[in-house]
Amino acid sequence: EAQVTQNPRYLITVTGKKLTVTCSQNMNHEYMSWYRQDPGLGLRQIYYSMNVEVTDKGDVPEGYKVSRKEKRNFPLILESPSPNQTSLYFCASSFQKYNEQFFGPGTRLTVL
Amino acid sequence: RKEVEQDPGPFNVPEGATVAFNCTYSNSASQSFFWYRQDCRKEPKLLMSVYSSGNEDGRFTAQLNRASQYISLLIRDSKLSDSATYLCVVNPYSSASKIIFGSGTRLSIRP
Repeated sequence: EAQVTQNPRYLITVTGKKLTVTCSQNMNHEYMSWYRQDPGLGLRQIYYSMNVEVTDKGDVPEGYKVSRKEKRNFPLILESPSPNQTSLYFCASSFQKYNEQFFGPGTRLTVL
Repeated sequence: RKEVEQDPGPFNVPEGATVAFNCTYSNSASQSFFWYRQDCRKEPKLLMSVYSSGNEDGRFTAQLNRASQYISLLIRDSKLSDSATYLCVVNPYSSASKIIFGSGTRLSIRP
C-alpha cells in the first residue's frame, strides 16, 4: 500500500530534550516536506527536500533541522524543543514539487 | 494581501444543498492548484486537482479562473459526510517559490 508513515504519532516531552520525528514514504517520491499546523494559522511549511541531499527552508524553519540521506526518509529533528513548538506536525511527499502531495497521519507534539 | 485567501466559514448548510467555496491567490505565476479535504485532527487528503479547463468528479466540480486569480470548489447534493475543512493549495512552477496552503474553509452539513 502506498503511504507516508510518521513516528511517533503522539509525544509529550520537556523543554530542551532533543527529539526526532521520523517520516518514510514508499512511493519513490522525490519531493518531501514537513508542515506544522496550529489553530488559526493553517499549515505552514518548515523544511522541504527536492531530492536526496537537497533540503531547503520553508516558512518557519527556526528550531528545526532535517536531513535527506535516502530518498524514502526525511526525519525532522528538534535539537532543543521549546513550548512554542507544541503543534501538530505532518510529513508529506509528492513525485515532484508540482504534483499533489500525500500526507502522513500526523504527529501531535507537546513540549512542557 | 495574503498569498492565498479562503473564507474560513463555517458554512452551515442542510443536507442536499449546493455549496461553493472560492480561494484567491496573488501570484499570477502559480501553475498547479489543488483542493484537499481535512477531517478534524487528521491529515489532509487530496480531493481534486484543478485544471484550466475545470474538472468534475461526481458531486464535486473544481474550476480555475486565471484572469481573476481564484479557484473554486462546488459541492452538489451535499452529504453529512462532506462535513470537513477544505484547503486550497497553490503551487508555483518556480523551484524557488513555496507551495502555499490556504487556511481552510470549514463546512458543516446538518441533517
